[in-house]
Amino acid sequence: QKEVEQDPGPLSVPEGAIVSLNCTYSNSAFQYFMWYRQYSRKGPELLMYTYSSGNKEDGRFTAQVDKSSKYISLFIRDSQPSDSATYLCAMSSSGGSNYKLTFGKGTLLTVNP
Amino acid sequence: EPEVTQTPSHQVTQMGQEVILRCVPISNHLYFYWYRQILGQKVEFLVSFYNNEISEKSEIFDDQFSVERPDGSNFTLKIRSTKLEDSAMYFCASPPKGGTDTQYFGPGTRLTVL
Repeated sequence: QKEVEQDPGPLSVPEGAIVSLNCTYSNSAFQYFMWYRQYSRKGPELLMYTYSSGNKEDGRFTAQVDKSSKYISLFIRDSQPSDSATYLCAMSSSGGSNYKLTFGKGTLLTVNP
Repeated sequence: EPEVTQTPSHQVTQMGQEVILRCVPISNHLYFYWYRQILGQKVEFLVSFYNNEISEKSEIFDDQFSVERPDGSNFTLKIRSTKLEDSAMYFCASPPKGGTDTQYFGPGTRLTVL
């Protein structure tokens, strides 16, 4: 079983739709959960960060973590064409001297005007 | 968003040649990371650096790779004898000032080995 699984899509939605992106993981030591946005051949851009279980909202973005199910989600409300990108989930455990990230493969999202 | 910078943006090299990739992380942070992403694949951890020492290496980070901090602010990733399969995007990452458990990524260096 892969440490982090993410449906690669592609996912195509109309402008204004609610988008749901998800990852599952197997390592129960993961405590820090992040979502990054990546455009082609660019560096990942940090969107959302959540520690342990719970919800976090930032504008049109909501991140949810359910540690009991080992499942994390990112919701995008009122999606815009500018949201078209690859979305990466990433997570790490409490590392002491190391908080290396383990990534999912990414979901390619296209928002159509 | 805090800025992490990388140079060059694109490096083309012949198989067997040495390459040096450079990064300037968020200033004075003790933590620092290198990752790579082969085209169409996921971002993979290479090596972590804490307080001027390597804290963990992945299986990918074999003897062909080395990481240094030649001065107080810059980091380098050296690949001694490049192979075709080293072609990838290489990213450095750094936590924000005062933080440890999130990471901001640089724009990456695209390495092409011919």
